[in-house]
This record gives sequence, C-alpha cells and structure tokens, in this order.
Amino acid sequence: ETGVTQTPRHLVMGMTNKKSLKCEQHLGHNAMYWYKQSAKKPLELMFVYNFKEQTENNSVPSRFSPECPNSSHLFLHLHTLQPEDSALYLCASSQDLQGDYGYTFGSGTRLTVV
Amino acid sequence: AQTVTQSQPEMSVQEAETVTLSCTYDTSESDYYLFWYKQPPSRQMILVIRQEAYKQQNATENRFSVNFQKAAKSFSLKISDSQLGDAAMYFCAYYEMNRDDKIIFGKGTRLHILP
Repeated sequence: ETGVTQTPRHLVMGMTNKKSLKCEQHLGHNAMYWYKQSAKKPLELMFVYNFKEQTENNSVPSRFSPECPNSSHLFLHLHTLQPEDSALYLCASSQDLQGDYGYTFGSGTRLTVV
Repeated sequence: AQTVTQSQPEMSVQEAETVTLSCTYDTSESDYYLFWYKQPPSRQMILVIRQEAYKQQNATENRFSVNFQKAAKSFSLKISDSQLGDAAMYFCAYYEMNRDDKIIFGKGTRLHILP
C-alpha cells in the first residue's frame, strides 16, 4: 500500500463547481508536491510545500488553490475550472526538498471537467 | 536548462524477453542523480531504480538494471525476463544537488508486454 494516499480517485465536475483534492502521507516527510499529468506531456510541477509553507508556485492559474494545514496533509481546491484542466493530478512527498532519493507518489486523482 | 529526453514513446517486448528503454539528459554538472519510475495502470508512480552520478557501477534491482554512460549523458533501463506486470509507462528522471530545483521528468515510454 502506498505511503501517499489521494482521494478521490476519480472526480467529474462542472465548470462552475467547487471541489477539493486531498493528499495524505504518514511517512514523516516534510515536503509535498502537486503535479499535473496530461497525455503526451511531461509531468508539470504545480506547487511545492515544505514544512507547511509554500515554496513554489509554477505560474498556476488562481482557479487552483493549494492548502497545506500540516506536513502530512495537502489539498488542492478547485473552482471555475476549464475542460483543459482535465488531467491526472498527482501528489508526492519527500523527506525534505532534496530529491536525491526521489519522491514518493500517490495514485492520483483523475479529474474530468465537463 | 536541464532536460530529460525519452525518444521512444512506445515499445513492445515479448514476455520473457529483454527490452531496453532509452533516456538521455542534458547537464553541465557532475553531481546528480538519475531515476527510473514505473507508472502501471494503477497510476501510482513507483521508483524502480536510482543511480548516483559519481558512482561508476551501474545500479541493479532484480530484473531491472541500467546502463549509465556519464560522458554520453545516457541512462538506459534494461528489463530482463519481461513479465506481464512490467507493462506500464516508464519515466526517466534527473535531480541535481546544490540547485534549488526539483526532479525533472521525461515524457515517458509506454511499454507493452506481448504474451
């Protein structure tokens, strides 16, 4: 079983809806990441948190709003999304911001915007 | 900027045969790390193998091994005795120490295992 758990596994939402994605890890990691994975495109890093503080926002539209209440939990709040936002959203974590041992990933949330 | 290139979008291999997935990267640094991740239909990205650039010895993990050619900036993954469970997307990734940045991933290679 993965050390990083993402819910829900699938999500279909209308463009006017508000929904949230949840990520949880109990690995004792301090850094957490949101990635967007679209077909035939490289993984896109969206946000990085370290010790609950956001350290990186890669020019992500404001319709995506992250929240990190503690080092174990990470949320991605969604509102007024567009169809092109449909993708697999992956959460990952690492001990700290050093990536020399790689990241631990969750199984993602498959988001469809209709 | 550092880049990771996987030139094979898709590959197929017969069950029990050996397959090699290619990866090249661009860097001017000498101290870095390379990874291969597997993403099966379950969607979870799983770390398959890790290579430290300052180590000349190629990393191996059971049926998975790499051919790390530092001068050529090449990092291929060899899967021996391919099994149906090896069918997945495989991502090559790069991480550089001493740089305030994150792991860089290639676009991936989809591997099909033919029974």
